[in-house]
Amino acid sequence: QITLKESGPTLVKPTQTLTLTCTFSGFSLSTSGVGVGWIRQPPGKALEWLALIYWNDHKRYSPSLKSRLTITKDTSKNQVVLTMTNMDPLDTATYYCAHDSVDSSVWFDPWGQGALVTVSS
Amino acid sequence: QSVLTQPPSASGTPGQRVTISCSGSSSNIGSNYVYWYQQFPGTAPKLLIYKNNQRPSGVPDRFSGSKSGTSASLAISGLRSEDEADYYCAAWDDSLSGRWVFGGGTKLTVL
Repeated sequence: QITLKESGPTLVKPTQTLTLTCTFSGFSLSTSGVGVGWIRQPPGKALEWLALIYWNDHKRYSPSLKSRLTITKDTSKNQVVLTMTNMDPLDTATYYCAHDSVDSSVWFDPWGQGALVTVSS
Repeated sequence: QSVLTQPPSASGTPGQRVTISCSGSSSNIGSNYVYWYQQFPGTAPKLLIYKNNQRPSGVPDRFSGSKSGTSASLAISGLRSEDEADYYCAAWDDSLSGRWVFGGGTKLTVL
C-alpha cells in the first residue's frame, strides 16, 4: 500500500523560504519508472501543479514558478523535499505530494493528505 | 484562469446520468492523455480516470471517461448522493517546455 504524507510549517512570513517534506512508504524512488509530484490548492480554488522528480533524478518544474522552486529526493529516507523561495500571501494553499507511475502513465495516484501553509506577517 | 476549461457546476438527480466537460487545446488534450480526479471537501483528490478512459481498481464502472480531439468528458451514470464532490480534469501540456495543467474544477451537486 502506497502512502504519502506532507510535513512542514503551517505559517511562514512573506519573503521567507518554505520547505516541505513528503515522506512516503510502499514504493522506492530508486525504482525505475517512479516519480513524486507536488500540487497545491489555494483555499476554494483549483489545483495547480508545481514540480516533479523522477527515479533517475530528472526534474520538471512549473514554468511560472520555476525560478522559486527546488525539488530534491533522499532515496534512503523515502523523502522528497520541495523548497519555494520568496513566499507571498498568494502562495497560501494546501500543498500535496503524490505518487507517479511513469511507465504505466498513472499520474498523481495516490495523494498525501495535504499540508496547509499560510503566508502572513 | 485555468488552461483546461470546465463548467463550474453541474447537477443531477439520483439515478441520472451526468457529464462534465473539459476543453483544452492541441498542446494538451489534443496530444496527451486526460486524467480525472474526485475531491470531497477537506480531503485530498483521488484519481478517478487515467489515460482518457481507464478506471483504477476500486472505482465503480458508473464512472467513465472519453476524449475526442481537444475535449474530454467524464460521465457518471446512476448518480448517487455520495458522488457529490468536485471533479478536476488534468493533462500534460507540451507548451512552455512541458507542464501539467488542470481544469478549474466542477462542483457536482446531487439534487
